[in-house]
Amino acid sequence: DAGVTQSPTHLIKTRGQQVTLRCSPKSGHDTVSWYQQALGQGPQFIFQYYEEEERQRGNFPDRFSGHQFPNYSSELNVNALLLGDSALYLCASSLTVLYNEQFFGPGTRLTVL
Amino acid sequence: QQQVKQSPQSLIVQKGGISIINCAYENTAFDYFPWYQQFPGKGPALLIAIRPDVSEKKEGRFTISFNKSAKQFSLHIMDSQPGDSATYFCAASISSGSARQLTFGSGTQLTVLP
Repeated sequence: DAGVTQSPTHLIKTRGQQVTLRCSPKSGHDTVSWYQQALGQGPQFIFQYYEEEERQRGNFPDRFSGHQFPNYSSELNVNALLLGDSALYLCASSLTVLYNEQFFGPGTRLTVL
Repeated sequence: QQQVKQSPQSLIVQKGGISIINCAYENTAFDYFPWYQQFPGKGPALLIAIRPDVSEKKEGRFTISFNKSAKQFSLHIMDSQPGDSATYFCAASISSGSARQLTFGSGTQLTVLP
């Protein structure tokens, strides 16, 4: 049973560029959440997607946007990259939208130069 | 009100000892409290979780103690092993009615000496 998968593993961008990160949820899961984890800190909630809609959003600017596809996979897009966007971006999936347990992928390490 | 405060920031324990990590929260609407274990270069892995109507939950060497009135909960790792060396995060979950999100503590870096 494949767990949560994310691509790419690592990414290097320059300030002002745009980036797209991808996530495939655990088999049987229909809800995807995205988190940002800065070095040495706990993950911070960005948003959650269910039924192809953004259901809840954390304290992140509109430069952060997402999408969920009919097969439940998801993308995180970040526009106008800032140095402070350098972080590990984690995707988590859950069985359904109000289900408690969230299972995390390995993350995408984004470096903004 | 959405914060979860975690301590200590780092912890060094001898093999076979007990590791204790503490967390406190303010928002009484939190209704699920998981602990995650994270190794370098990996995503967080769900370790154990508890609901606020239960005071203690044990799974193998890992125990969560929950004090609802004090709004505190803790993770105890019995017979700590070098393989337990990792960063541990407490978290609290809240439902808005249409979604559920996790709020994480700042993490505890545990080192178990052989």
